[in-house]
Amino acid sequence: DAKTTQPPSMDCAEGRAANLPCNHSTISGNEYVYWYRQIHSQGPQYIIHGLKNNETNEMASLIITEDRKSSTLILPHATLRDTAVYYCIVRVLDNDMRFGAGTRLTVKP
Amino acid sequence: GAVVSQHPSWVICKSGTSVKIECRSLDFQATTMFWYRQFPKQSLMLMATSNEGSKATYEQGVEKDKFLINHASLTLSTLTVTSAHPEDSSFYICSARDQGRAYEQYFGPGTRLTVT
Repeated sequence: DAKTTQPPSMDCAEGRAANLPCNHSTISGNEYVYWYRQIHSQGPQYIIHGLKNNETNEMASLIITEDRKSSTLILPHATLRDTAVYYCIVRVLDNDMRFGAGTRLTVKP
Repeated sequence: GAVVSQHPSWVICKSGTSVKIECRSLDFQATTMFWYRQFPKQSLMLMATSNEGSKATYEQGVEKDKFLINHASLTLSTLTVTSAHPEDSSFYICSARDQGRAYEQYFGPGTRLTVT
């Protein structure tokens, strides 16, 4: 699976949009982009995934660039409960999930 | 959504004893389950993959005789840490793949193991 690069940490003001970037320049055509988050001392929580089109659900939006070499997870109105480590994972379907270092997002009041 | 449970949520054991952690898929059948380990301030590291009815596949560097995995049914996998030592203290997380939706992988809440 392609390797991903994420900033180690980010801050965001409560109520503002949080935009978390992920680089995956070696992604191949059949690899999906997944986002999970992990709140302290809990298991990872699925957020969203996509192949090449932008995706939106009740939690977030996923914007994938046209060349698919990078993506951005958008939390439209961050709350304090969104403070967590966010993981961007690229994988072929049926492969296991392997986690990088992720981005530690801190939402501040 | 699909739910994965783990039991216990935390356990303290003495050095040299063994401890078993259960992972269950509550509302779906999981042909494949995964076990991860997470040390403080680190990311999740895949330990092993288990398929129902067959032997687990361990990642490089993970001792299969120390971390015994049994996946006896489509809803239950167990991880036994044998002869535990303080360095085995960690957060253990299981994950299960939905048999009906091969690309979906769901995670349990984790088990905090402390070996004294």
